[in-house]
Amino acid sequence: NAGVTQTPKFQVLKTGQSMTLQCAQDMNHNSMYWYRQDPGMGLRLIYYSASEGTTDKGEVPNGYNVSRLNKREFSLRLESAAPSQTSVYFCASRGTSGGVTSYNEQFFGPGTRLTVL
Amino acid sequence: EDKVVQSPLSLVVHEGDTVTLNCSYEVTNFRSLLWYKQEKKAPTFLFMLTSSGIEKKSGRLSSILDKKELFSILNITATQTGDSAIYLCAVPLGSGTYKYIFGTGTRLKVLA
Repeated sequence: NAGVTQTPKFQVLKTGQSMTLQCAQDMNHNSMYWYRQDPGMGLRLIYYSASEGTTDKGEVPNGYNVSRLNKREFSLRLESAAPSQTSVYFCASRGTSGGVTSYNEQFFGPGTRLTVL
Repeated sequence: EDKVVQSPLSLVVHEGDTVTLNCSYEVTNFRSLLWYKQEKKAPTFLFMLTSSGIEKKSGRLSSILDKKELFSILNITATQTGDSAIYLCAVPLGSGTYKYIFGTGTRLKVLA
């Protein structure tokens, strides 16, 4: 049981390049999330997927696209990277069954550190 | 506008000290507040406080929710160097609890 996994761990891009961040969870969770974390800004929600087949914008969606490939996988794509997208990206998942605590708790992946030059 | 504010932004203490971290919120239809600890990588869950529960304890860590004044505090007693981390609080938004708003976090450093 690996929990939430993310690839790659590190990435350096040049301005204008594209890339996809991969995320997978093996906990049979319905909901999945993408956050970015910048110094002094906390975690900001980029996109989320409440369940397989649905995606919705979060607080900072501009410049990103997502795909909920199946129940396990949720990818984040940067079509044309910009220096402002330099950040640490976290994927998370949340179950929708069990007790109140289980229902609300999010499980996070180890993060991807992205630098855009 | 929904918001979650944490204070202080950073804190340096010595081992054995007691610290209090604050999280205030203004959220429509508040139902719960979660605390996470983030060391080098991913945040890990500590506590959840709901509108019906006001205090949680786990060893040296405890948390209280004040529904009237709209804040929560996280207390750590007898701090250890292993407590050094960023502490985040988060509040789920909306009836579906699909979206969360996080505070900026408090960076705690415990010196030996």
